[in-house]
Amino acid sequence: QQQVKQSPQSLIVQKGGISIINCAYENTAFDYFPWYQQFPGKGPALLIAIRPDVSEKKEGRFTISFNKSAKQFSLHIMDSQPGDSATYFCAASKGFKTIFGAGTRLFVKA
Amino acid sequence: DAGVIQSPRHEVTEMGQEVTLRCKPISGHDYLFWYRQTMMRGLELLIYFNNNVPIDDSGMPEDRFSAKMPNASFSTLKIQPSEPRDSAVYFCASCRAPSSGNTIYFGEGSWLTVV
Repeated sequence: QQQVKQSPQSLIVQKGGISIINCAYENTAFDYFPWYQQFPGKGPALLIAIRPDVSEKKEGRFTISFNKSAKQFSLHIMDSQPGDSATYFCAASKGFKTIFGAGTRLFVKA
Repeated sequence: DAGVIQSPRHEVTEMGQEVTLRCKPISGHDYLFWYRQTMMRGLELLIYFNNNVPIDDSGMPEDRFSAKMPNASFSTLKIQPSEPRDSAVYFCASCRAPSSGNTIYFGEGSWLTVV
């Protein structure tokens, strides 16, 4: 019930393309769904987040789509750039406890 | 703000030795977390503190692991004795309040290699 399943494990996208990362959760008590971005040698940093009462949130080139009935959410990176190459973690949280997905290593080819 | 500060950044130690990782959370943050990151298991929550008190240590893998937070600005994670399977990146993180939606701020991690 505490798991957050993330796919794909790795992703290669051409510059200018759309990167899509998917996550699924089981526990309906989760009420906050952040995405974290991690560059090599650094700690994860919050990228964008959504609450389950909203179906979509957009910040610049980054969009979260949320499907509450399916218990799924996804990150879309539009016009992907080489600088977006990083590991992306979805997460689900309730109160103080945040459960992370396994991560997706994104590589954007120039 | 300086962010979450961890030390050492890199540690190589021999099996059986004691390892102590240190963390200074962001000032004013009530919660402190210790995470471990490995390729196999991803980001795992080991333990977290609220106002310096350990709240949940169910993620601590074994009795060889212990964590303390003697004051609001300092925490340690100790492994004694260390084993090669403890090799991982250990992150300290902090956040301001217990309600959902508060951003967790991570340090840059302590890269531990046990040989």
